[in-house]
Amino acid sequence: QQQVKQSPQSLIVQKGGISIINCAYENTAFDYFPWYQQFPGKGPALLIAIRPDVSEKKEGRFTISFNKSAKQFSLHIMDSQPGDSATYFCAATETNNNDMRFGAGTRLTVKP
Amino acid sequence: DTGVSQDPRHKITKRGQNVTFRCDPISEHNRLYWYRQTLGQGPEFLTYFQNEAQLEKSRLLSDRFSAERPKGSFSTLEIQRTEQGDSAMYLCASSLARTGKETQYFGPGTRLLVL
Repeated sequence: QQQVKQSPQSLIVQKGGISIINCAYENTAFDYFPWYQQFPGKGPALLIAIRPDVSEKKEGRFTISFNKSAKQFSLHIMDSQPGDSATYFCAATETNNNDMRFGAGTRLTVKP
Repeated sequence: DTGVSQDPRHKITKRGQNVTFRCDPISEHNRLYWYRQTLGQGPEFLTYFQNEAQLEKSRLLSDRFSAERPKGSFSTLEIQRTEQGDSAMYLCASSLARTGKETQYFGPGTRLLVL
């Protein structure tokens, strides 16, 4: 069912480093691309989202880069902190469609 | 409380039993979604409601699953004759449908274990 491929499956980064998670999608009708952060035992929480009319969106230490022609988007976490250790999911959907497709997730560990 | 709430948070049941989960969305949100998440995977869409109308169901939603949103507020998801393969986290999300913005807010989930 998944139309969004996410990599890597797991990532270990030192505190202060940059965490980069990549996603690729197939459906060109997708026009909304959110990233969710999930801590163990909790539901996913919206982190940041982008629409394809821009190539980059930044909110604090979190940046989404979007490449429409390549059908790829990525999450960059600058100055990674141990508190960022969580599982990150990319997702994609159409504005008027309600079946949001999620990637398989990336388990990020930030070492102190 | 301004978030999505789900009840119960955990449920252990024996194979063949029926279970029902409840979701209370953010109060002004008109859309409500159910997802299933298995270990190590992203959430998978099951069904969604616009107000009280169930408008879409995934093929993942077998005949043993039924969802309702009787008054366009809270929703219930029932699984009949549970199977071990039903063991998963069941997530509810809600959103406010309006032009150009469709952010889904998730609840904490109900973790189901079928023995």
